[in-house]
Amino acid sequence: GAGVSQSPSNKVTEKGKDVELRCDPISGHTALYWYRQSLGQGLEFLIYFQGNSAPDKSGLPSDRFSAERTGGSVSTLTIQRTQQEDSAVYLCASSHAGALGNIQYFGAGTRLSVL
Amino acid sequence: DAKTTQPTSMDCAEGRAANLPCNHSTISGNEYVYWYRQIHSQGPQYIIHGLKNNETNEMASLIITEDRKSSTLILPHATLRDTAVYYCIVRVGTQGGSEKLVFGKGTKLTVNP
Repeated sequence: GAGVSQSPSNKVTEKGKDVELRCDPISGHTALYWYRQSLGQGLEFLIYFQGNSAPDKSGLPSDRFSAERTGGSVSTLTIQRTQQEDSAVYLCASSHAGALGNIQYFGAGTRLSVL
Repeated sequence: DAKTTQPTSMDCAEGRAANLPCNHSTISGNEYVYWYRQIHSQGPQYIIHGLKNNETNEMASLIITEDRKSSTLILPHATLRDTAVYYCIVRVGTQGGSEKLVFGKGTKLTVNP
């Protein structure tokens, strides 16, 4: 596609429910990143995938958060037993890691609201 | 923590140049200066990046001081659509590695009619 696509654009859920957020990166991009942005806060790194390498999970805030990337393309971020503090915009970015500059291109994000 | 310091907010008149400063006094020799912006309710958008030479593209110009401890992003003719939060980020720009972006608070630029 022309850009990074994320779905859904908005998600409202009840506390304790599980949610899945999807990211379709730019075709051919080998690197994929998840960030989140809480209200009035800066962007916070969550996890990074690069090809077949083990993902860098250093930014995941708790074991309720997990992500996978199937076939080196689409990625899903899963939050189990959601809490109100999980409410944020979740942003996905992709880059062609082999290119000089390693510019990351972002999707529009998924706005998650936990009631 | 972010390695950069930026003013919290700036104002600019429409049609005038917007000059956004950034201090990065601890920048390493292999680190680039990147600029992104985030328009309200959108994901961050890449603007420009550079190592030590000044750079220009269709969106902006980047001026990096000779000692590389600071830089300025220049939007030559600001429009209302340039109202956004502008982030200055330093990171290694080479391929490979987990080069996540570390965002600070950025500068909220408001372009006024």
